[in-house]
Amino acid sequence: QVQLVQSGAEVKKSGSSVKVSCKASGGTFTSDSFSWVRQAPGQGLEWMGGIIPMFGTANYAQKFEGRVTITADESTSTAYMELSSLRSEDTATYYCARGVTASPYDSWGQGTLVAVFS
Amino acid sequence: DIVMTQSPDSLAVSLGERATINCKSSQSVLYSSNNKNSLAWYQQKPGQPPKLLISWASTRESGVPDRFSGSGSGTDFTLTISSLQAEDVAVYFCQQYSSTLRTFGQGTKVEVK
Repeated sequence: QVQLVQSGAEVKKSGSSVKVSCKASGGTFTSDSFSWVRQAPGQGLEWMGGIIPMFGTANYAQKFEGRVTITADESTSTAYMELSSLRSEDTATYYCARGVTASPYDSWGQGTLVAVFS
Repeated sequence: DIVMTQSPDSLAVSLGERATINCKSSQSVLYSSNNKNSLAWYQQKPGQPPKLLISWASTRESGVPDRFSGSGSGTDFTLTISSLQAEDVAVYFCQQYSSTLRTFGQGTKVEVK
């Protein structure tokens, strides 16, 4: 079973950026798929984008294109999500999720709360 | 993007009774490589990340009670809880993974009547 451990909660000012990490263990990091999903308070799940480390290229939801960057560091088995130009609507819990190609997410991180204030 | 629409948004069911959640996709989620529907169901309890219950529309994950079942094909899918237990109170989400750009339904909150 793959375990995903995310970095801690963040409090950010509007207009700044945040970078959240997700360290994986117990799987084959390089060939796995890692995605980022966010959940605003009391709301549903919103897919932001994903990456397969061995390919290196990320795919993004159109809503976040240009504002989010997803990367992966094979040397540390860690995936990252950076969101820029933060606004209050970005206040949410951000989850990393793992799957294999063409499969759903069988492992999730514990979530990272990002709070944005003006 | 493929739009996933769940119904209802919430439902209250008596303990031991059946709960049925529907999920409709804006286009087929059939995965041509294995001729299966790329549709998953997740359960999320307060303060926890989602948990995968069912993949490929009807395959229960290891350890998931058999009161949970999934059905459907093409664009219409259903999650059924055959006999609601107190521990099943949660929000349930469907997700398509046929497209690189994966999308979720808006969620259905299940409560005890």
